[in-house]
Amino acid sequence: QVQLQESGPGLVKPSQTLSLTCTVSGGSISSGGYYWSWIRQHPGKGLEWIGYIYYSGSTYYNPSLKSRVTISVDTSKNQFSLKLSSVTAADTAVYYCARAGDYYDSSGYYPPNYWGQGTLVTVSS
Amino acid sequence: QSVLTQPPSASGTPGQRVTISCSGSSSNIGSNTVNWYQQLPGTAPKLLIYSNNQRPSGVPDRFSGSKSGTSASLAISGLQSEDEADYYCAAWDDSLNVFYVFGTGTKVTVL
Repeated sequence: QVQLQESGPGLVKPSQTLSLTCTVSGGSISSGGYYWSWIRQHPGKGLEWIGYIYYSGSTYYNPSLKSRVTISVDTSKNQFSLKLSSVTAADTAVYYCARAGDYYDSSGYYPPNYWGQGTLVTVSS
Repeated sequence: QSVLTQPPSASGTPGQRVTISCSGSSSNIGSNTVNWYQQLPGTAPKLLIYSNNQRPSGVPDRFSGSKSGTSASLAISGLQSEDEADYYCAAWDDSLNVFYVFGTGTKVTVL
């Protein structure tokens, strides 16, 4: 059974870059067929999709965050990462990594299915 | 930044049927299928329904989904105490490239 685990600093200063890593176990990122996602949830609020990456490096980002987001993959470590630049207090949230590809919807896309437990990142000086 | 609208709350007694609505637009629900997630307190969301009405393995058939036009619904029949959770609809949106949008979320309370 695949497992995903987020890691990274829990506190980031305003204007700096938030960096998180998701370590995948129980499956290989390089085996293909899956899309590796980042999703966040502001405290007490709903969910916001940040983007995803295919093992080949193709990326898709939320237009509202695209100018500040970079998602990358390191197949040698079986990890993928999120970088969000120029953060403000509005970026304080629980960040989840997730895998999509286990279920195909008839739109032609794959909904995020397996999720990590999430990690809280607070932006504060 | 939610573009899918859900009622903030819904409730029912054990055994009842509860329905949650999700309203979108032509660029998301109107042209793509709908997925539903269940988020129990303090946990990550779990995929409950995909492709409008398909259940992943392990999801009880008490949960069902439907879609019509730019709206969708999730129904929980035979409500149980363990169904008390937040529920989110989601769909792909084609308006500005392709991206995934979530609903505002509905808190289901079992009375």
